[in-house]
Amino acid sequence: GAVVSQHPSWVICKSGTSVKIECRSLDFQATTMFWYRQFPKQSLMLMATSNEGSKATYEQGVEKDKFLINHASLTLSTLTVTSAHPEDSSFYICSARDGGTDYQPQHFGDGTRLSIL
Amino acid sequence: AQTVTQSQPEMSVQEAETVTLSCTYDTSESDYYLFWYKQPPSRQMILVIRQEAYKQQNATENRFSVNFQKAAKSFSLKISDSQLGDAAMYFCAYNRDQFYFGTGTSLTVIP
Repeated sequence: GAVVSQHPSWVICKSGTSVKIECRSLDFQATTMFWYRQFPKQSLMLMATSNEGSKATYEQGVEKDKFLINHASLTLSTLTVTSAHPEDSSFYICSARDGGTDYQPQHFGDGTRLSIL
Repeated sequence: AQTVTQSQPEMSVQEAETVTLSCTYDTSESDYYLFWYKQPPSRQMILVIRQEAYKQQNATENRFSVNFQKAAKSFSLKISDSQLGDAAMYFCAYNRDQFYFGTGTSLTVIP
């Protein structure tokens, strides 16, 4: 089946550091990838939709300058949390659709646990 | 925006028994997909089952089946012969142009 690899799985860093998270589709091409944020015992909150070769579409309330998204190829999207602060600590998950239609299931990476000290 | 409601924050089931998780959604569309995802403590999101709205037949995947009531906008998940490995958070999701997730149901399986 379709595999999405997310790296790193866990990051601990100091406040003010920028952190990059990678999301790769290993055996399929993904023109669209999604970035979610999940707080403990809560549902997934869509942050942005990453489109290959164009600007990402951010959800309302998500700071574009804080969460930089780059989708430079059909298999890689990156999320950079710039100047991270303790309130950015969370679980971040990416996903990608295998196929050109909107109705295909999303395949998820294993997530990145981000802890800002 | 579409809304997906899971009214049961927590459920428990005895091992080998059957449990049903509820999900309702709100939409004005006729074509869409519905999904159930499982998130164990490892927090990996695992696709359990999916249902195409244009299909009347309820989807089935081994011990997992759904009861899809399109008119009522209801999409419940039935887990038969529950196993310890079924313990997880279960999220219902609606998809047309993008995914909308419910708030989740935490399932405990009692040995």
